[in-house]
Amino acid sequence: DADVTQTPRNRITKTGKRIMLECSQTKGHDRMYWYRQDPGLGLRLIYYSFDVKDINKGEISDGYSVSRQAQAKFSLSLESAIPNQTALYFCATSDPRQGRSTDTQYFGPGTRLTVL
Amino acid sequence: GENVEQHPSTLSVQEGDSAVIKCTYSDSASNYFPWYKQELGKRPQLIIDIRSNVGEKKDQRIAVTLNKTAKHFSLHITETQPEDSAVYFCAASTGYSTLTFGKGTMLLVSP
Repeated sequence: DADVTQTPRNRITKTGKRIMLECSQTKGHDRMYWYRQDPGLGLRLIYYSFDVKDINKGEISDGYSVSRQAQAKFSLSLESAIPNQTALYFCATSDPRQGRSTDTQYFGPGTRLTVL
Repeated sequence: GENVEQHPSTLSVQEGDSAVIKCTYSDSASNYFPWYKQELGKRPQLIIDIRSNVGEKKDQRIAVTLNKTAKHFSLHITETQPEDSAVYFCAASTGYSTLTFGKGTMLLVSP
């Protein structure tokens, strides 16, 4: 779904570095999410935002922070990256006003992050 | 919070066979149950969903059933094809909150 984009798509960094992952959407959705995917662990919610002024912690927020710069942009930061943050990161959006499927989430293409 | 268990973790079938993936949830307030398909190297995409006011929903070769009393729901794929090979995730939510995902099932369909 080209309406949700993520940059970078791949990133290799070193322990202790600060890194930011960016998500942009042209769907006009209010709700945005950051997930982490690890083999065998499924999709785990890191942070979510229901509108520009709303930020909420998810299941695994420790070591991460987020910024909702605008309705269309939601960034995830790792202040001091560590190896166990190596994972595939997905941004997603949803819009409860859609009606047909209240919580249908539309995912970005993912960012593969490796922390050495 | 909600907890979603998904089984099996891997499932291998022959082309043309049926495949069933099962999920259980813990929060009786959950009323929305989507299924996502993630092909290798791709993003998860919604394939079907069901709300708690219905017991079954079909869309061509896929169907989902819901048993609210037992708090479990299942994905059924009939006449499987190689292109059905993917990881499938179930999820649950109360409809106005976040989704809680299961750990996923890798389905392999052999020609």
